Amino acid sequence: DGGITQSPKYLFRKEGQNVTLSCEQNLNHDAMYWYRQDPGQGLRLIYYSQIVNDFQKGDIAEGYSVSREKKESFPLTVTSAQKNPTAFYLCASNEQLNTEAFFGQGTRLTVV
Amino acid sequence: GEDVEQSLFLSVREGDSSVINCTYTDSSSTYLYWYKQEPGAGLQLLTYIFSNMDMKQDQRLTVLLNKKDKHLSLRIADTQTGDSAIYFCAESFLQGGKLIFGQGTELSVKP
Repeated sequence: DGGITQSPKYLFRKEGQNVTLSCEQNLNHDAMYWYRQDPGQGLRLIYYSQIVNDFQKGDIAEGYSVSREKKESFPLTVTSAQKNPTAFYLCASNEQLNTEAFFGQGTRLTVV
Repeated sequence: GEDVEQSLFLSVREGDSSVINCTYTDSSSTYLYWYKQEPGAGLQLLTYIFSNMDMKQDQRLTVLLNKKDKHLSLRIADTQTGDSAIYFCAESFLQGGKLIFGQGTELSVKP
């Protein structure tokens, strides 16, 4: 079945550590996105990529990094520079030009 | 710039209609979407409307778009307890294709 998969579902990080969240899709979509969700604030765009080997900053990119070496994969690294990383992270993908975005099930990151 | 606003909470009784509202600032959007999020899960597309349409109906869902007022609404007829969730409106743009989301409206359906 085609879809978008995020892993792990839950992730715990000690302060000062970098962690990487995985996002894989087998939908052959060109574009992929990372969003952060906090209660009462909706989804805020961290990074997005429209094509392999290219990505752009979203509204809250500071403290995060991404790569897009393969079309299927768009990992997000939460670095120690991100001061408040505890949140629910959602990955999405779509074809180009305004089509439906498909979402993964999310990763809940908690700093301990 | 791009901004999408929604009220945060809505409570209705089972069997009533629910109307969830959304306003946006950037009129250059090409599609507008409604997504549903159940607890601890990702977002699921419910319906979408092209920006040159006024209305779209899909079973219990009716989407109304007022481009002049930059107002989008989602009406759910005969609301059921299973409709309890957070509903997000979103808009997308021809340039870049990225989606901009509202804050989400938490719909609570009481029996």
